[in-house]
Amino acid sequence: QQQVKQSPQSLIVQKGGISIINCAYENTAFDYFPWYQQFPGKGPALLIAIRPDVSEKKEGRFTISFNKSAKQFSLHIMDSQPGDSATYFCAAAPYNNNDMRFGAGTRLTVKP
Amino acid sequence: EPEVTQTPSHQVTQMGQEVILRCVPISNHLYFYWYRQILGQKVEFLVSFYNNEISEKSEIFDDQFSVERPDGSNFTLKIRSTKLEDSAMYFCASSVRDGQYFGPGTRLTVL
Repeated sequence: QQQVKQSPQSLIVQKGGISIINCAYENTAFDYFPWYQQFPGKGPALLIAIRPDVSEKKEGRFTISFNKSAKQFSLHIMDSQPGDSATYFCAAAPYNNNDMRFGAGTRLTVKP
Repeated sequence: EPEVTQTPSHQVTQMGQEVILRCVPISNHLYFYWYRQILGQKVEFLVSFYNNEISEKSEIFDDQFSVERPDGSNFTLKIRSTKLEDSAMYFCASSVRDGQYFGPGTRLTVL
């Protein structure tokens, strides 16, 4: 019930391409869905987040698509750049934002 | 831009010893969290803290762990008797409500 499943485990994209990372959750009590970016040796950095009352949220080159009925959400990185190369984690938390559960992470490599 | 800070950046300890990991959350934040990340694995929730008490804790957060906010700025995680499997990165995070902001982490190595 508490799991968040993330795919793919790793992703290689050419510069300028679109990176797509998918997540699925089980617990219908989850109410908040952030994405985090983590560089080696650093803490996760909040990238973008969505609540289930909207189906899409866009911030710059980053877009979250959310499908409440399928219990799935995805991160799209448009015009991917080598500087985007990092590990991306999806997460899900209930309404009170406690007990946030992370996906296993996707290592993105953007080739120049 | 305000940020969460953590000390030390790296802590080496002997099995069975007590360690205290320290965090200074962002000053106007009300909610505080600890997470851990074993090398190469996902981030795991340990505990959340609000209004000077634990709000939620995971199955990982057993009696060996405790948290404290000893003053208006620090938030600490204590591990009473460390085990080899406690070796991990420990991240502190804080939030106003949504949007948890993470610190740079403390790498704990238990020998």
